[in-house]
Amino acid sequence: QSALTQPASVSGSPGQSITISCTGTSSDVGGYNYVSWYQQHPGEAPKLMIYDVTNRPSGVSNRFSGSKSGNTASLTISGLQAGDEGDYYCSSYTSSNTVVFGGGTKVTVL
Amino acid sequence: QVQLVQSGAEVKKPGASVKVSCKASGYTFTIYDINWVRQATGQGLEWMGWMNPNSGSTGYAQKFQGRVTMTRNTSISTAYMELSSLRSEDTAIYYCARGLGMATQDYWGQGTLVTVSS
Repeated sequence: QSALTQPASVSGSPGQSITISCTGTSSDVGGYNYVSWYQQHPGEAPKLMIYDVTNRPSGVSNRFSGSKSGNTASLTISGLQAGDEGDYYCSSYTSSNTVVFGGGTKVTVL
Repeated sequence: QVQLVQSGAEVKKPGASVKVSCKASGYTFTIYDINWVRQATGQGLEWMGWMNPNSGSTGYAQKFQGRVTMTRNTSISTAYMELSSLRSEDTAIYYCARGLGMATQDYWGQGTLVTVSS
């Protein structure tokens, strides 16, 4: 199972919006509405930000939103803040009843 | 509050095995799957497998089939991940995480660093 494809880095200025893409295949991202997004700060465990493509866990800011079109899922961060800097990973359920992660995207606030 | 507390760092020689524990609290242990995910230094997340603490059923990533075993002790709400035939490439932080629905992990342990070195 190949890793999902994410851009290595995305940057934006405070207050702007950025979007991170996550591309898979019809056997994972495109085949199921089970895409999740995680935020990871250096030295910390990942934190769930979005699940089942569009759902936000309790306590996660509504500045984070998810969507999907075909084999590509996206995470949008609006009103970018300094605390949003970190690494972001997507993951998806697969037709093999397994989970596959993306390679990760480093978000930088300029 | 939900907490997953993992065992401490390990140093192992190539060819050895390591067993990492993950003690759950703040919820009913048998209701949610436990997933294991690892991360090599400076690298991305890699899913290793899942275990249903109620039935003991497991599912492993193909890459780890034959080398990984996930078990549990429900009486102490603890899950275990054992990885055998260790090689240097297995040096990583190993995380346990509670499963939420399909392929989502909502609470994570603090991570356990496993170093494989001769």
